[in-house]
Amino acid sequence: QKEVEQNSGPLSVPEGAIASLNCTYSDRGSQSFFWYRQYSGKSPELIMFIYSNGDKEDGRFTAQLNKASQYVSLLIRDSQPSDSATYLCAVNRNYGGSQGNLIFGKGTKLSVKP
Amino acid sequence: DTGVSQDPRHKITKRGQNVTFRCDPISEHNRLYWYRQTLGQGPEFLTYFQNEAQLEKSRLLSDRFSAERPKGSFSTLEIQRTEQGDSAMYLCASSLRDRGYNEQFFGPGTRLTVL
Repeated sequence: QKEVEQNSGPLSVPEGAIASLNCTYSDRGSQSFFWYRQYSGKSPELIMFIYSNGDKEDGRFTAQLNKASQYVSLLIRDSQPSDSATYLCAVNRNYGGSQGNLIFGKGTKLSVKP
Repeated sequence: DTGVSQDPRHKITKRGQNVTFRCDPISEHNRLYWYRQTLGQGPEFLTYFQNEAQLEKSRLLSDRFSAERPKGSFSTLEIQRTEQGDSAMYLCASSLRDRGYNEQFFGPGTRLTVL
């Protein structure tokens, strides 16, 4: 089982809809969880991170974490064509601790149709 | 505040040659990370530094790879005797202790092609 799993997509949603991106992780010791956006040919860009169970909202983005189910999701409200990109889920075992590296999933490709 | 910079942006080399990449982190960022990304995959961790100390190195990292951060500022990643399987995007990221090291900001990457 891969450490971080995402559906590779593509996920296609119409403009203005809610896009829902999902991620599961295998290590129960994981402490903090990240969503990055990566446009084709560009480097990953941090959208937001979450470390407590529940929801965290930032503008049109909401991250949801359920540690019992080992599940993280990202909701994008009012999706725009400019949101079309690959969304990478990443986990870090220690929040601010000694293990600094992120473990990434393969990413989900999102396409927002005008 | 400038972001993470990497040089060169593209490198084409022949198999067996050595290559060196440079990364300049965001000013005052204590930690610096190297990742590698191939097409259709997420970034894969290689190594990271806290100031000048190399704190962790991936077990997947071949002995042909070496990284340094001699003065705790910029870092270099060297690949010796390159192989075609080394072709990838090499990404550098940095983070700040005051933000709990949680936010890793990536540079534009160096795309390596080994012929």
